[in-house]
Amino acid sequence: SQQGEEDPQALSIQEGENATMNCSYKTSINNLQWYRQNSGRGLVHLILIRSNEREKHSGRLRVTLDTSKKSSSLLITASRAADTASYFCATDAAVNNAGNMLTFGGGTRLMVKP
Amino acid sequence: DVKVTQSSRYLVKRTGEKVFLECVQDMDHENMFWYRQDPGLGLRLIYFSYDVKMKEKGDIPEGYSVSREKKERFSLILESASTNQTSMYLCASSFRNRGYTFGSGTRLTVV
Repeated sequence: SQQGEEDPQALSIQEGENATMNCSYKTSINNLQWYRQNSGRGLVHLILIRSNEREKHSGRLRVTLDTSKKSSSLLITASRAADTASYFCATDAAVNNAGNMLTFGGGTRLMVKP
Repeated sequence: DVKVTQSSRYLVKRTGEKVFLECVQDMDHENMFWYRQDPGLGLRLIYFSYDVKMKEKGDIPEGYSVSREKKERFSLILESASTNQTSMYLCASSFRNRGYTFGSGTRLTVV
């Protein structure tokens, strides 16, 4: 079952613009993670935000977490054509979770036009 | 950097064949996972393992089994491949509750 749901499903922007993707989830979490996937490849871990954190930065990435609304957002600033990929949020549920099991959302397909 | 290596990028098998998908990680991670990814369905967890010889069913274990005889290797087995198992298979590993490292994926076609 999909815990996280990304919004929008697809996003097309011009190079240099900012891209914002949102993720909503249903249950309490230990942390929320964002991943990127280039077409036909494996996923790459971008950033992890813990449930007691509200905002985190990594280079051009900014992630926010609102546990009261059970939502997160990923902002990519000054986008580049190379940012074109699918982006997934994944939640590490707070319930008994031996083995660090993540549940992934359906992803947002981002296209950055040069 | 942690590496997760999946033995094949592309695989074509016949219906009814027994199929082995191998995954090896080189950083002593205790947790390993097998997902399949299908258009419109996202990533779905098949099986995971949090220790050698331990395995837990994920959301869609039917038609699959796994083996973890050594810490670095987690194998996914399709006992009798069917066309509805045509998919992209992704292996991942992690240390405690940190981010996953994924392999490059195996695109399996069952004909």
